[in-house]
Amino acid sequence: GAVVSQHPSWVICKSGTSVKIECRSLDFQATTMFWYRQFPKQSLMLMATSNEGSKATYEQGVEKDKFLINHASLTLSTLTVTSAHPEDSSFYICSVPFGATDTQYFGPGTRLTVL
Amino acid sequence: AQKITQTQPGMFVQEKEAVTLDCTYDTSDPSYGLFWYKQPSSGEMIFLIYQGSYDQQNATEGRYSLNFQKARKSANLVISASQLGDSAMYFCAIDSLTGANNLFFGTGTRLTVIP
Repeated sequence: GAVVSQHPSWVICKSGTSVKIECRSLDFQATTMFWYRQFPKQSLMLMATSNEGSKATYEQGVEKDKFLINHASLTLSTLTVTSAHPEDSSFYICSVPFGATDTQYFGPGTRLTVL
Repeated sequence: AQKITQTQPGMFVQEKEAVTLDCTYDTSDPSYGLFWYKQPSSGEMIFLIYQGSYDQQNATEGRYSLNFQKARKSANLVISASQLGDSAMYFCAIDSLTGANNLFFGTGTRLTVIP
């Protein structure tokens, strides 16, 4: 399967600051990447689809101006949480579809804590 | 619209025994894929097994097998010869093979393997 990395693995920031999370596909080029969010003891919820060379597609209820997505290259997508608030504290995880079945392979995730 | 239901919030199994984790789904798509992922306490999402709606045979991957009953819309995961390292959250997910291939996840089942 695909190998996906994320950086940082965890971050603590003050309320009002911005945080950038990187998602990299290490062994193949990905025109599409997905960003999910997982609150404690809950399931993963899709936030947005990152498309190389075009704008990201956001799910209903996700603020595009707050969660900025940039698919800078075929191996890198970034998620920037702008003006973070404590309610943005969550586990953010990206995935890359790969193979004939477009199985999604996930990065290790980033745990964000906003104080 | 797609929906995944996992009715078992928690399951216990004796080491070396087999366990079945339930998953039912609802979708209006004629073609779809069903996935199982394992999430240990570290948070990473590990792909386990895939079943396409058009597949005639149940999928198997090592100790994992999928009991796919299309008429009942169920895709239960069977883990044979349970190991202590199998203790984790398990998520069932579905995607469309005819539309956007983002995943919809169930609420998960926490499996605990007892020595």
